[in-house]
Amino acid sequence: QKEVEQDPGPLSVPEGAIVSLNCTYSNSAFQYFMWYRQYSRKGPELLMYTYSSGNKEDGRFTAQVDKSSKYISLFIRDSQPSDSATYLCAIYGTSYGKLTFGQGTILTVHP
Amino acid sequence: DAGITQSPRHKVTETGTPVTLRCHQTENHRYMYWYRQDPGHGLRLIHYSYGVKDTDKGEVSDGYSVSRSKTEDFLLTLESATSSQTSVYFCASQREGPLWEQYFGPGTRLTVT
Repeated sequence: QKEVEQDPGPLSVPEGAIVSLNCTYSNSAFQYFMWYRQYSRKGPELLMYTYSSGNKEDGRFTAQVDKSSKYISLFIRDSQPSDSATYLCAIYGTSYGKLTFGQGTILTVHP
Repeated sequence: DAGITQSPRHKVTETGTPVTLRCHQTENHRYMYWYRQDPGHGLRLIHYSYGVKDTDKGEVSDGYSVSRSKTEDFLLTLESATSSQTSVYFCASQREGPLWEQYFGPGTRLTVT
């Protein structure tokens, strides 16, 4: 069993839709929870992070962590074509410095 | 943004030839990583470094070696390339705690024929 499992998608939604991206993890020692966004033919970039259960908002993006269920989510409101990218969850906490990544979800937002 | 570059950006090579990919960062980060990205597998860690001359294996290290002689440079070598090593390779450097954010390079697209 992988330490981090991510819904693989792909997801295709119309502009303006609410998008939900999800990951589960197995190790309760994980401390920090991140979402990276990767545009086509680019390297991943950090989008959001959180280290506690609950929600964290940044504009149209909300990161949610439920440590009791070992479940993390990223919500995108009023999705835009510019949100089309691969989204990777990443978790830190069991090995000094190393991040564990999910498989990534390809999101396409149609105009 | 962290200044991290990779070279070459694209390479086509033949099975059995050695290949070296270079990663260069200007942020003086101690930690650096090499990943490969393949459809359905996400980012998989090949090797990482926690200082000059200090390296360790990741989850998919077979067939790869690394070297780090300077803080800013991290080299990945495929000793004898195989078709299964066709992939996109990403290098990352990492800011130390508390978040441990990794900054990625633009990637190298390697094709082994």
